[in-house]
Amino acid sequence: QSVLTQPPSVSGAPGQRVTISCSGSSSNIAINSVYWYQQLPGTAPKLVINKNNQRPSGVPDRFSGSKTGTSASLAISGLRSEDEADYYCAAWDDDFNGLFAFGTGTKVTVL
Amino acid sequence: DVQLLESGGGLEQPGGSLRLSCEASGFIFSSFAMNWVRQAPGKGLEWVSVISASGDRTYYADSVRGRFTISRDNSRNILFLQMGNLGGDDTATYYCARGNIAGVPAAPYYWGQGALVTVSS
Repeated sequence: QSVLTQPPSVSGAPGQRVTISCSGSSSNIAINSVYWYQQLPGTAPKLVINKNNQRPSGVPDRFSGSKTGTSASLAISGLRSEDEADYYCAAWDDDFNGLFAFGTGTKVTVL
Repeated sequence: DVQLLESGGGLEQPGGSLRLSCEASGFIFSSFAMNWVRQAPGKGLEWVSVISASGDRTYYADSVRGRFTISRDNSRNILFLQMGNLGGDDTATYYCARGNIAGVPAAPYYWGQGALVTVSS
């Protein structure tokens, strides 16, 4: 059981904006940076948001991250078919002796 | 380009041991912390362990502490994961992932393609 909770799935039509939530607690999101990973079918995860809201080189500016209190969000605007993937939030948790906690994962479907 | 290539996966019996390796190239290996992350078939991601750039600090998930050991050889640019007392719950694809700083904790930044470990009799 993960300490970070995400909705199992979200969907949207091409061109729309979707948002994925990540709910944590005072020992993880509230005090540590949040990371977002994209995992396309059959491939390794890829970092799309670093330290709450920074996009690594090569990640389109359609991807944006934010954090407020014990929650974080990933937004994908101008949804494209190639965005269909599993997305995971993650953060270090100070209550678990060095645990890097991943969220439960969200499947994004492009209708 | 950063490249991470895992090897050493395969079929192992319950209670057995296995050592995974991750060969790194395209960056100064000794300057970055490294992680292991695993994913059981059809399941989500689970962080396993992290080691600092120099190798002097390590952290483990509760599920593997005492059974798994992370280590590195900076002279050969290789990361290791020694796994012992394996059980069915350890069946997963294991990814090595580079952090973006030398110290720990360091979140996974660049990922390898993974090595499948299957524990079964």
